[in-house]
Amino acid sequence: ETVMTQSPGTLSVSPGERATLSCRASQSVRNNLAWYQHKPGQPPRLLIFGASTRATGIPARFSGSGSGTEFTLTISSLQSDDFAVYYCQQYGDWPPFTFGPGTKVDL
Amino acid sequence: QVQLVESGGGLVRPGGSLRLSCAASGFAFDHSYMSWIRQAPGKGLEWISYISSLSSSTYYADSVKGRFTISRDNTKNSLYLQMDSLRAEDTAMYYCAQYYYDSSGPQWYFDLWGRGTQVVVSS
Repeated sequence: ETVMTQSPGTLSVSPGERATLSCRASQSVRNNLAWYQHKPGQPPRLLIFGASTRATGIPARFSGSGSGTEFTLTISSLQSDDFAVYYCQQYGDWPPFTFGPGTKVDL
Repeated sequence: QVQLVESGGGLVRPGGSLRLSCAASGFAFDHSYMSWIRQAPGKGLEWISYISSLSSSTYYADSVKGRFTISRDNTKNSLYLQMDSLRAEDTAMYYCAQYYYDSSGPQWYFDLWGRGTQVVVSS
């Protein structure tokens, strides 16, 4: 099973600042990595797939990079709507599909 | 409107059973590959089960294998999760989710989620 880890657990930032979230896989998943945004009371929202491709309707301030075992989600200029928990998910080695434990981005 | 709507959650005693449903609308459900994913209180997302479009393949997380059964009825545009031998650690919000697909087939990330149904296992 491919184990996903994320860092930091919590990221405290101010609106307008840059946020950098990391995700690591225990073995190579190539570029088979997705990122989701999750807010309380809402379903998760797909942000990035293929490690770096933005999903439909996702603002350009969200960008993804990396391959193999190391991945990064960057929010270039944080907006108030971006405070949420962010999860990475690998789909290069399944089943099982595995998620990271999440990074909470808060004020 | 493209959506997934879960139902069937509730309070159940340890050892009991529950059947979750997920109603799909607005898209070709019989082409969709689906999963159930849960989130325990204060925890992250956990994938628990997968089913292919025509039910030919199913997979389960080790945490639910032998206790949960995923199924679907494409004539009713519905996905199900039969949960037996429930434990306190199964307490969670349960989401159904669709894998993205296009002309090249399914891709293994989730582009459509329901709002979830809450399951509480407690005596």
